[in-house]
Amino acid sequence: KNQVEQSPQSLIILEGKNCTLQCNYTVSPFSNLRWYKQDTGRGPVSLTIMTFSENTKSNGRYTATLDADTKQSSLHITASQLSDSASYICVVGTAGGATNKLIFGTGTLLAVQP
Amino acid sequence: DAGVTQSPTHLIKTRGQHVTLRCSPISGHKSVSWYQQVLGQGPQFIFQYYEKEERGRGNFPDRFSARQFPNYSSELNVNALLLGDSALYLCASSGTRLAGGFNTGELFFGEGSRLTVL
Repeated sequence: KNQVEQSPQSLIILEGKNCTLQCNYTVSPFSNLRWYKQDTGRGPVSLTIMTFSENTKSNGRYTATLDADTKQSSLHITASQLSDSASYICVVGTAGGATNKLIFGTGTLLAVQP
Repeated sequence: DAGVTQSPTHLIKTRGQHVTLRCSPISGHKSVSWYQQVLGQGPQFIFQYYEKEERGRGNFPDRFSARQFPNYSSELNVNALLLGDSALYLCASSGTRLAGGFNTGELFFGEGSRLTVL
């Protein structure tokens, strides 16, 4: 069964600190892996998209890594800000990466405190 | 350019009623997908439409239906509402098309329609 699991479920950090969110998947065949940021009550916003051949991609203070061998990805947030407080969702694409074949994780809820 | 727009933003219905949610994709995008997101969970895929044709359907009952119009906007209809249908309904558009009609590009989400069923 295709699944995407994220950890931790929730995380509290102090402003300015770094953190790393984890994503493990059992999706086959693998096509791409995406990270989204979702503010409370709003739609998700894309942070990164990585294909099989990419093992790291950055978007400002966000850096995603991918290990296709171990089927793991991480999202590292550097120098956190209060505005980083959100849910971070890992999404894995299968079957050629078609957008109707995306498997969503349940998200990690991050709270950044002053 | 406007992003993906959804309406209404919030609505309250009672069990057994019917609801229609609307979505306008980003200008130039021909693919629209619908997702249901229950509180505390990730989005669940409901439908995808491309060029007015259904390209994918998730594991939802026949009470859920959708369509896409010639201007690529879309409607999601839910009949005989149940309490469990209470959720944030997200619409996403995508503009990348590969051979076979599949889209693999970036998904742009709207802000969602929050449905509460009492």
